[in-house]
Amino acid sequence: AAGVIQSPRHLIKEKRETATLKCYPIPRHDTVYWYQQGPGQDPQFLISFYEKMQSDKGSIPDRFSAQQFSDYHSELNMSSLELGDSALYFCASRTSGGAYEQYFGPGTRLTVT
Amino acid sequence: SQQGEEDPQALSIQEGENATMNCSYKTSINNLQWYRQNSGRGLVHLILIRSNEREKHSGRLRVTLDTSKKSSSLLITASRAADTASYFCATLPTQGAQKLVFGQGTRLTINP
Repeated sequence: AAGVIQSPRHLIKEKRETATLKCYPIPRHDTVYWYQQGPGQDPQFLISFYEKMQSDKGSIPDRFSAQQFSDYHSELNMSSLELGDSALYFCASRTSGGAYEQYFGPGTRLTVT
Repeated sequence: SQQGEEDPQALSIQEGENATMNCSYKTSINNLQWYRQNSGRGLVHLILIRSNEREKHSGRLRVTLDTSKKSSSLLITASRAADTASYFCATLPTQGAQKLVFGQGTRLTINP
């Protein structure tokens, strides 16, 4: 079965650079979530989209923005990167009409040097 | 900060033994889910229990939910070395954002 796809899997950036993370949800899933997991930490909700509209916002810095496109894929744009942004970034998807399970992608490991 | 707290933070047992992990939360929930994460890898959904359910089974997994105590437990029976991973509980609140709120996780090590 198709799973959530994230790209790239690994990304190394320098401070003050920008990064774009991509997420391709499971086909027919209309809701996408972004989470950030710092080293040794639990995942923290950043932002979510339903039918291409932002639905909820969590602890997402103003330096970050995200959107969901017409094909339901989503991109997380991160600017003015800081060392503290180094983390695993997960995307999850679900279908709004179904159960509440969120299906997570493998994550993008971002390292800021 | 997370509303969920997991207990213990780390657990080390022998292969074949049962492993029990606990999770507490603070708000009213729609459901509670358990996820597994191998080191540095993605989160794998294990099981979901709704707020009106008290117990659920899936293979070697048994989950209980006590909404009066706002707590849940995950039992893994007949543990295997491959069960070594971190286990997170995540709650879906009834009010507010439809986002999962994760606990801090239990690091489970199964010794062969």
